[in-house]
Amino acid sequence: AQKVTQAQTEISVVEKEDVTLDCVYETRDTTYYLFWYKQPPSGELVFLIRRNSFDEQNEISGRYSWNFQKSTSSFNFTITASQVVDSAVYFCALSEADTNAGKSTFGDGTTLTVKP
Amino acid sequence: DSGVTQTPKHLITATGQRVTLRCSPRSGDLSVYWYQQSLDQGLQFLIQYYNGEERAKGNILERFSAQQFPDLHSELNLSSLELGDSALYFCASSGGQGARGYGYTFGSGTRLTVV
Repeated sequence: AQKVTQAQTEISVVEKEDVTLDCVYETRDTTYYLFWYKQPPSGELVFLIRRNSFDEQNEISGRYSWNFQKSTSSFNFTITASQVVDSAVYFCALSEADTNAGKSTFGDGTTLTVKP
Repeated sequence: DSGVTQTPKHLITATGQRVTLRCSPRSGDLSVYWYQQSLDQGLQFLIQYYNGEERAKGNILERFSAQQFPDLHSELNLSSLELGDSALYFCASSGGQGARGYGYTFGSGTRLTVV
């Protein structure tokens, strides 16, 4: 069974601080996919990034970066120089490469509040 | 606009009633997923359809059913509604049979309130 744990329920930072959101996953598959989604106060869910289990390269996109470490089953998300607009709930998700199941299992989310 | 259309955006109904939520996937996407988001349960997978066929089932109650039509739009039917069914229901679509390599594109959700 797959499981995603986001231990940080809420994080509050002041604008321009860096912040890291943790994600730890469990799976028995050797091939799987990891995702991050953002849910701003408006409520929609927005896809941010996906990683497959064979690609451990870190990725940077502007102020966002992701650190994938298979050895610790973690896929952490860092926002550099946070801004008020980054305030949202962030979800980490896992999908196993099972031909019959395209479903993703989501963590409980981390609510990030960036104060001006 | 994500390309995934969900209607209605808001729905208020009484206990015991039946409602239908509708989803049109992003153009070209064959997979549709339904998720329920409630405060105490988080994002829970309900069901997946791929090109008209059911592919995976999650914690979907027997009172709930879904289908995907030939034009690929999907409907989620919720019956004998209870107060605990109040939640945000999301539809998502993706290009492939599984989520492999494809992130979901989510609709804006239907907020269901059962009174």
